[in-house]
Amino acid sequence: ELKVEQNPLFLSMQEGKNYTIYCNYSTTSDRLYWYRQDPGKSLESLFVLLSNGAVKQEGRLMASLDTKARLSTLHITAAVHDLSATYFCAVDSNSGYALNFGKGTSLLVTP
Amino acid sequence: EPEVTQTPSHQVTQMGQEVILRCVPISNHLYFYWYRQILGQKVEFLVSFYNNEISEKSEIFDDQFSVERPDGSNFTLKIRSTKLEDSAMYFCASSPDTQIGGYTFGSGTRLTVV
Repeated sequence: ELKVEQNPLFLSMQEGKNYTIYCNYSTTSDRLYWYRQDPGKSLESLFVLLSNGAVKQEGRLMASLDTKARLSTLHITAAVHDLSATYFCAVDSNSGYALNFGKGTSLLVTP
Repeated sequence: EPEVTQTPSHQVTQMGQEVILRCVPISNHLYFYWYRQILGQKVEFLVSFYNNEISEKSEIFDDQFSVERPDGSNFTLKIRSTKLEDSAMYFCASSPDTQIGGYTFGSGTRLTVV
């Protein structure tokens, strides 16, 4: 059974601080996705990582992928309140026709 | 920017009733999906659809569920006899090609079964 594990599941951090969210997965997939979800809203695509060693950055968020370790990280730099949301990582199923999501990391950035 | 459109945004139904959730995928996308998210939980895959047939389905997608592309634009999820545990947010998604990913999710339909 394909597993996607995120940690931490809950994260409260102060504005201006840095932190990393981790995503471990059990398949040999070389594609990993990060999504953001605001309460009651849809899933907003943040990053699509397509190969080992891929690194992408957008604003205060940077995502990386290590397919050998089956690990992706989402690094938050100098957090601001607007980053408060739930962040999900997801990987392709073995067939490639489905996404398997982690449980999500609920991030709260406080003043 | 192209969007995946879902209707209705919220539906309340009585247990045992049939519901149809509707989606209009992005026009040049070839692959269509339904996912669900029970409140406070992770997003779960239900079914994928390509070339007018199901390409993959999860254990959740049992005989009470069906999907259809009745015309060139709509993609529907039918739940034949709703149960309380079907209450969830249902997301439709589409992608141009499974090889490059790039899933776009709709805004969701919140289904409440009472």
